[in-house]
Amino acid sequence: DADVTQTPRNRITKTGKRIMLECSQTKGHDRMYWYRQDPGLGLQLIYYSFDVKDINKGEISDGYSVSRQAQAKFSLSLESAIPNQTALYFCATDGFGGSEQYFGPGTRLTVT
Amino acid sequence: SQKIEQNSEALNIQEGKTATLTCNYTNYSPAYLQWYRQDPGRGPVFLLLIRENEKEKRKERLKVTFDTTLKQSLFHITASQPADSATYLCALARNTGGFKTIFGAGTRLFVKA
Repeated sequence: DADVTQTPRNRITKTGKRIMLECSQTKGHDRMYWYRQDPGLGLQLIYYSFDVKDINKGEISDGYSVSRQAQAKFSLSLESAIPNQTALYFCATDGFGGSEQYFGPGTRLTVT
Repeated sequence: SQKIEQNSEALNIQEGKTATLTCNYTNYSPAYLQWYRQDPGRGPVFLLLIRENEKEKRKERLKVTFDTTLKQSLFHITASQPADSATYLCALARNTGGFKTIFGAGTRLFVKA
């Protein structure tokens, strides 16, 4: 089984709708991340969490919120989706600062 | 702020040759520099990590060098194969704000048979 799973894998939604992307990991790590990837751009950090009680904004958090339900679960929400949030979204986890990150398979989100 | 520069143009090479990808960064030197492979529509997969006090790291056909004076890392794939075709991402981590990692946009590699 995959170390990091994401649901849904693909989602098409309309402008103004609320949508939640879910992430689960079986690595037993405390640290989890949400990234966004647009064509030709690097991975941009949306939110990160270093343990269940620690949530931090990344470089592009506007329009997004997160919830850390357990050590293994980290969800990303778009409160009111807009077309420029169309992108590929990745969840990741690592064991300690600077160590390798394990990524999920991604969620392709399209906002029409 | 820290910036990572990777060649946005795709690299095309012949099978069997050595592919060399470049990662340049500005500002501070990272404590760790990592390389990832990403296939289209998939999540990045970790390949190698090199620390600031290391000059070179090898793993099978892969070699990474790290020059903190030039603020540059080179990533080599020797005896390249068509299966090596992918996008390769450079990532930096430094101990500020809990050791976040930042990623470059990647360089696309095409290996022709």
